[in-house]
Amino acid sequence: DTGVSQDPRHKITKRGQNVTFRCDPISEHNRLYWYRQTLGQGPEFLTYFQNEAQLEKSRLLSDRFSAERPKGSFSTLEIQRTEQGDSAMYLCASSLSGHEQYFGPGTRLTVT
Amino acid sequence: GQNIDQPTEMTATEGAIVQINCTYQTSGFNGLFWYQQHAGEAPTFLSYNVLDGLEEKGRFSSFLSRSKGYSYLLLKELQMKDSASYLCAAASGGSYIPTFGRGTSLIVHP
Repeated sequence: DTGVSQDPRHKITKRGQNVTFRCDPISEHNRLYWYRQTLGQGPEFLTYFQNEAQLEKSRLLSDRFSAERPKGSFSTLEIQRTEQGDSAMYLCASSLSGHEQYFGPGTRLTVT
Repeated sequence: GQNIDQPTEMTATEGAIVQINCTYQTSGFNGLFWYQQHAGEAPTFLSYNVLDGLEEKGRFSSFLSRSKGYSYLLLKELQMKDSASYLCAAASGGSYIPTFGRGTSLIVHP
């Protein structure tokens, strides 16, 4: 257990539905990252927050994806109008320095 | 663009030494990460190198050559529990956004 928690751990949804995931980072960590990982691939960067500011967003991220970190603590990732290609493990990581990122257990999304 | 290249799979014997290589091309390079990921689990941080040279941490060591765009992870005294995927990632910019390779699946056999 790294101290980073994610909820839910598993989500099954039908195509076209909206889903929201939550990440609770280590409390003193000001940096928070979201990634997506599919089988046989490394994690793919989605977006990055420093405190409550969203500073980086992958160009690969479609406008169906949105993330927030309203008070600089927990973060949410929402996917609207889900597609089968969105099925993946969604990972959250937090860091104090950026050098060492602590990953949560992930949320596994299955879109049917 | 960003490009990370590492072998797909390696096998080794318990008690032996294995070296996992990684080459990278990235703009705004700001360090090289290695992570370990067991099947079905999240990645676990192993090392971060930003300067050339070797850094040792117990049974694991990591090496970086910035001029060659090359790194390796060295695992000594292999144990069965070291069977996992090892992810190489190059960080860029002040945000330390990592670009991950596909991972090297290491199988340790008795």
